[in-house]
Amino acid sequence: AQKVTQAQTEISVVEKEDVTLDCVYETRDTTYYLFWYKQPPSGELVFLIRRNSFDEQNEISGRYSWNFQKSTSSFNFTITASQVVDSAVYFCALSDYSGGGADGLTFGKGTHLIIQP
Amino acid sequence: EPEVTQTPSHQVTQMGQEVILRCVPISNHLYFYWYRQILGQKVEFLVSFYNNEISEKSEIFDDQFSVERPDGSNFTLKIRSTKLEDSAMYFCATVDSSSYEQYFGPGTRLTVT
Repeated sequence: AQKVTQAQTEISVVEKEDVTLDCVYETRDTTYYLFWYKQPPSGELVFLIRRNSFDEQNEISGRYSWNFQKSTSSFNFTITASQVVDSAVYFCALSDYSGGGADGLTFGKGTHLIIQP
Repeated sequence: EPEVTQTPSHQVTQMGQEVILRCVPISNHLYFYWYRQILGQKVEFLVSFYNNEISEKSEIFDDQFSVERPDGSNFTLKIRSTKLEDSAMYFCATVDSSSYEQYFGPGTRLTVT
């Protein structure tokens, strides 16, 4: 069975601080995908990144970076120089690969990030 | 940029009534999904649909739920006899088979009274 754990329920930092959101996953499959989504107060789910299990390279996109470590089953997300607009709930998710398409996503419980001005 | 659309944005219904939530997937996507999110909780997978049939479903997706693609464009989720605990945001998603990125619609907020 798959499981995604986001141990941090809520994080509050002051603007311009760096912040890391943790994600630990469990799966029996050797091929899988990991995702991060942002859910702002308006409620939509905004895709941030997808990473497959064979690609352990870290990725940077502007102020966002992701650290995938297969050895510890973690896929952590760091926001550098946080801004008030980064305030949202962030979800980590896991999907197995079923050969022809992607299985449904298993989401973590989310981390509510509050950036204070 | 193509996007998934959902209607209605908000649906209020009385307990025991049937509701149909509609989704228009991105046109060249072949895999479709429904998820729900009870207020303040995590997003939960309900069902996936491919080639006009269910490919996977969760424990939540019991006999009161059904999905279909009635006309080749819409993808619908029907709840036959709504319960108070069905109140949630329902998200439709589709997958780009080349990138495996799941594109989510804006959601339908279902309120059962």
